Amino acid sequence: QPQLQESGPGLVKPSETLSLMCTVSGGPISSSSYYWGWIRQTPGKGLEWIGSIFYSGNTYYSPSLKSRVTISVDTSKNQLSLKLTSVTAADTAVYYCARHRCSGGKCFSFPPISFDPWGQGTLLTVSS
Amino acid sequence: QSALTQPASVSGSPGQSITISCSGASSDVGTYNLVSWYQQHPGKAPQLMIYEVNKRPSGVSDRFSGSKSGNTASLTISGLQAEDEADYYCSSYAGNTNLVVFGGGTHLTVL
Repeated sequence: QPQLQESGPGLVKPSETLSLMCTVSGGPISSSSYYWGWIRQTPGKGLEWIGSIFYSGNTYYSPSLKSRVTISVDTSKNQLSLKLTSVTAADTAVYYCARHRCSGGKCFSFPPISFDPWGQGTLLTVSS
Repeated sequence: QSALTQPASVSGSPGQSITISCSGASSDVGTYNLVSWYQQHPGKAPQLMIYEVNKRPSGVSDRFSGSKSGNTASLTISGLQAEDEADYYCSSYAGNTNLVVFGGGTHLTVL
């Protein structure tokens, strides 16, 4: 199992852009069996999928966040990144990156369906 | 409001079995056999317990099992142990437009 580690500023001001990085170790990000996703969890609440990316750059985004989200991948560094623009207090959450496994392990034929493993998460607070 | 509906809490005594339901719609749970279940202990990241309705990843105890009927998926934990006390989340594939939908989570208390 690879290990995933999120990193970010911890605190962002309202209306600014949130930028997070996820570094993958112990396995290549450029695998045909996996997408790589971002999920967030607001304090005391449930999980919300943000988006997922394939090593080729193909992306899926949550419709509710699509207008503000950009996910990118750097295969040379084995990293993926998340940018979320125009943040508000509602974007305060623990942000996780996770490997997003495709059904049958074949992302060219089937969609990504389950997250495993997850990073430890990074708390992002939006406050002035 | 989450796309999938789970009970807020369930409880059981050690050794007993419990079932957590996850109600969706014909656009997600009802159409696709692509339901996953995650366990989350306090302060920890979620861990995959079940995928594709009833498959267990390597290393997950066979006390955990999944099933589906219509628009509702279920997670059953048999032989409850204290370490099973955690939050459990279901998710489902929901088509290429909204890839992943999660349930609101269920807190399991082992009495």
